[in-house]
Amino acid sequence: RKEVEQDPGPFNVPEGATVAFNCTYSNSASQSFFWYRQDCRKEPKLLMSVYSSGNEDGRFTAQLNRASQYISLLIRDSKLSDSATYLCVVRGPYGGSQGNLIFGKGTKLSVKP
Amino acid sequence: GAGVSQSPSNKVTEKGKDVELRCDPISGHTALYWYRQSLGQGLEFLIYFQGNSAPDKSGLPSDRFSAERTGGSVSTLTIQRTQQEDSAVYLCASSLGEGIGANVLTFGAGSRLTVL
Repeated sequence: RKEVEQDPGPFNVPEGATVAFNCTYSNSASQSFFWYRQDCRKEPKLLMSVYSSGNEDGRFTAQLNRASQYISLLIRDSKLSDSATYLCVVRGPYGGSQGNLIFGKGTKLSVKP
Repeated sequence: GAGVSQSPSNKVTEKGKDVELRCDPISGHTALYWYRQSLGQGLEFLIYFQGNSAPDKSGLPSDRFSAERTGGSVSTLTIQRTQQEDSAVYLCASSLGEGIGANVLTFGAGSRLTVL
């Protein structure tokens, strides 16, 4: 099982739709969880952290399910500008590989008019 | 500076030549990461620095790749005897070394390497 796994998509949705992405991680000792966003031919940027109790930032809601080892990102009322690749990032236990930060390969979202 | 600065932004080289890519992290960021990304692919981890030391070099794909960091600041990624499969965007990121800030990576715009 890959350390961090995401559905690569693409997810093609109309404007105004609600879309959800899931991400699974293999190490139950993982400590912190994040969603990054990467626009086409640009660098990744932090979108939001994922807290145990779930958290919301405007149209974006992130949730963590430690028992099932997955995190999710929900986008409501999709905008054209939401089109991007969404990267799931997991901070592993101390002493882990990759500087403790594991990036998923990303889920591509395309919002159409 | 205000952000992570990488140079050159674009580099075209001939197969077999050596290249150096530079990363200037955000001032005060002790952690520095190098990744590469081929077209349409995910991020591939290369190396991680904490200060000047590299506790994790596990991602370097071959001994043609090396990296160093001096003064806890600027880092250089060197690729010797470049091959066509080295063509990719090389991304550098930095973060605070500890605390909540350690989780927030700020990426540079990348160095696009093309090996002919």
